[in-house]
Amino acid sequence: AQSVTQPDIHITVSEGASLELRCNYSYGATPYLFWYVQSPGQGLQLLLKYFSGDTLVQGIKGFEAEFKRSQSSFNLRKPSVHWSDAAEYFCAVGPLSNFGNEKLTFGTGTRLTIIP
Amino acid sequence: DVKVTQSSRYLVKRTGEKVFLECVQDMDHENMFWYRQDPGLGLRLIYFSYDVKMKEKGDIPEGYSVSREKKERFSLILESASTNQTSMYLCASSSQGLGANEQFFGPGTRLTVL
Repeated sequence: AQSVTQPDIHITVSEGASLELRCNYSYGATPYLFWYVQSPGQGLQLLLKYFSGDTLVQGIKGFEAEFKRSQSSFNLRKPSVHWSDAAEYFCAVGPLSNFGNEKLTFGTGTRLTIIP
Repeated sequence: DVKVTQSSRYLVKRTGEKVFLECVQDMDHENMFWYRQDPGLGLRLIYFSYDVKMKEKGDIPEGYSVSREKKERFSLILESASTNQTSMYLCASSSQGLGANEQFFGPGTRLTVL
């Protein structure tokens, strides 16, 4: 069974500092990996996704993530955070299906707080 | 702009009431999903649907049912609401095809059961 672990429940970062949010997954085959962001009171918005090709993936809002198969990780990074990045971040994994009708498994989320 | 809409942002119901949560997507997506989101537990899948009139149980289906009579609409039903169903409910949709598992989410319905 597929699973996702986000080991950090809450992270606090100063505005302008760099950020790395950790995500480890368990999946038997080639995974399809996602990072979503949820601003307070909102639904989830896709930041980036990976399913093949270059293991360093660029997303929206200046975020990037690196797929490391040997470590079963897909960590999210941003070189310089802004106050508007305060939100909850979810990592998700799914199968690379030929049909695209498979469900995703989400991590428990990491809440990011930005301090001035 | 792609859109998933949910019928209510906030809902307050009493224990034992029948509750309907509606979700509509305008992207002609085949797949639709209902999740509940609770602090510290992330998103947990309640039910999903691959096609009209098709439904599959997710990880926590107990106490819930769903209906999908039209492709664009997916309803979540709480037959007899209980206080432990107080939660944020998120609807999502996705298309089918290789590499198409990206899910698009609605804004959520925060349900309080008193």
